[in-house]
Amino acid sequence: EVQLVESGGGLVQPGGSLRLSCAASGFTFSGYPMNWVRQAPGKGLEHVSTISSNGDNTYYANSVKGRFTISRDNSKNTLYLQMNSLRGEDMAVYYCARRVGSTYYFDNWGQGTLVTVSS
Amino acid sequence: QTVVTQEPSFSVSPGGTVTLTCGLSSDSVSTTYYPSWYRQTPGQAPRTLIYNTNTRSSGVPDRFSGSIVGNKAALTITGAQADDESDYYCVVYMGSGLWVFGGGTKLTVL
Repeated sequence: EVQLVESGGGLVQPGGSLRLSCAASGFTFSGYPMNWVRQAPGKGLEHVSTISSNGDNTYYANSVKGRFTISRDNSKNTLYLQMNSLRGEDMAVYYCARRVGSTYYFDNWGQGTLVTVSS
Repeated sequence: QTVVTQEPSFSVSPGGTVTLTCGLSSDSVSTTYYPSWYRQTPGQAPRTLIYNTNTRSSGVPDRFSGSIVGNKAALTITGAQADDESDYYCVVYMGSGLWVFGGGTKLTVL
């Protein structure tokens, strides 16, 4: 069974940093591109970032470009999102989501981790 | 800035049929945008329903179907049930590793 378990969320002050993790199990992690998708309280979903299966290619939404860094450690079956210079509008539940490489959709999602940005 | 549009809310009677749509502010939605659909209930993670316009994800009942209607992607639910009450999101692939979600449709079954 595919499992994606996010962690690392919490309360951070504006301008602060946080690193999210997504532990994957039940599939060959190194074979799949991975994504972060977020959802602000009471709002819709927003695609944040994508990383290729080997980590060589990364993509970011304009809203986080230059502040967030996606990475992965295939030896640890873990996806990361380093978030710097956090703003109030970054407050959201952050989901990791798997994508099958030959497709353009998200086939499995984690349960999410909440990031609260507040002073 | 591309905007993906969805109806904010929709209601359907139990047993009825409803079609939710997904449009683009700057173009027509076609299969080349690989539209996909997800449902989400409060406090839960999204669940995949439809991908590549009209392919049902594993385990999704055939009451759910996807298509292109006019210049929009569409999700049709036939024989609506009470537990279909959810938020429904479409997303399109814009290329360059980026996706854009619609604002979601809150479906009420009553």
